[in-house]
Amino acid sequence: DIVMTQSPDSLAVSLGERATINCKSSQSVLYSSNNKNYLAWFQQKPGQPPKLLIYWASTRESGVPDRFSGSGSGTDFTLTISSLQAEDVAVYYCQQYYSTSYTFGQGTKLEIK
Amino acid sequence: QVQLVESGGGVVQPGRSLRLSCAASGFIFSTYAMHWVRQAPGKGLEWVALISYDGDNKYYADSVKGRFTISRDNSKNTLYLQLNSLKTEDTAVYYCATSGGSYYSAFDIWGQGTMVTVSS
Repeated sequence: DIVMTQSPDSLAVSLGERATINCKSSQSVLYSSNNKNYLAWFQQKPGQPPKLLIYWASTRESGVPDRFSGSGSGTDFTLTISSLQAEDVAVYYCQQYYSTSYTFGQGTKLEIK
Repeated sequence: QVQLVESGGGVVQPGRSLRLSCAASGFIFSTYAMHWVRQAPGKGLEWVALISYDGDNKYYADSVKGRFTISRDNSKNTLYLQLNSLKTEDTAVYYCATSGGSYYSAFDIWGQGTMVTVSS
């Protein structure tokens, strides 16, 4: 199975500042025939299901604020929140869908400093 | 609106069985691949099982293979997960989710989840 490793495990950022979460896969999730990275980012708040934020590593889901952005390719990916808002406090997960043995990162807990 | 609603969770003893259901509405269920994903208390997300749009193809995580069975009834717009030989480590919130018409797409619609507690 593809192992997804996020860093850091937790992060405290001041309101209005940038938050950066990293995700590394144990093998490439870039499919060469279509040049797409099979990588998604989710946000999960307490008591709620995960919410899709980003797919194909960098495409924002409809309705997601543009302060959220995804980047990276191959095995190294980043989720960036450009200006942290109070409502962004949550746990963030990356996930690969390159293989039908889908795997998630362990999660990164984002808090306000 | 697009919605997935899980049901069937509860408290069950180790070794017993349970069947979860996921009722879909607001989209053409019979054309969508469907998944179950679980989350143990205070832990991360674990993909459990996938079923193709027509039910002909099924995939499972190694941790549940041989014990859990995913199925669907497209005439009822409902997804199922049969949980047999339950273990304490199966205690989790179970979510159904869809990746649209492909196995290789992001999970864009999720239900609210149903809690399964395995305890003697």
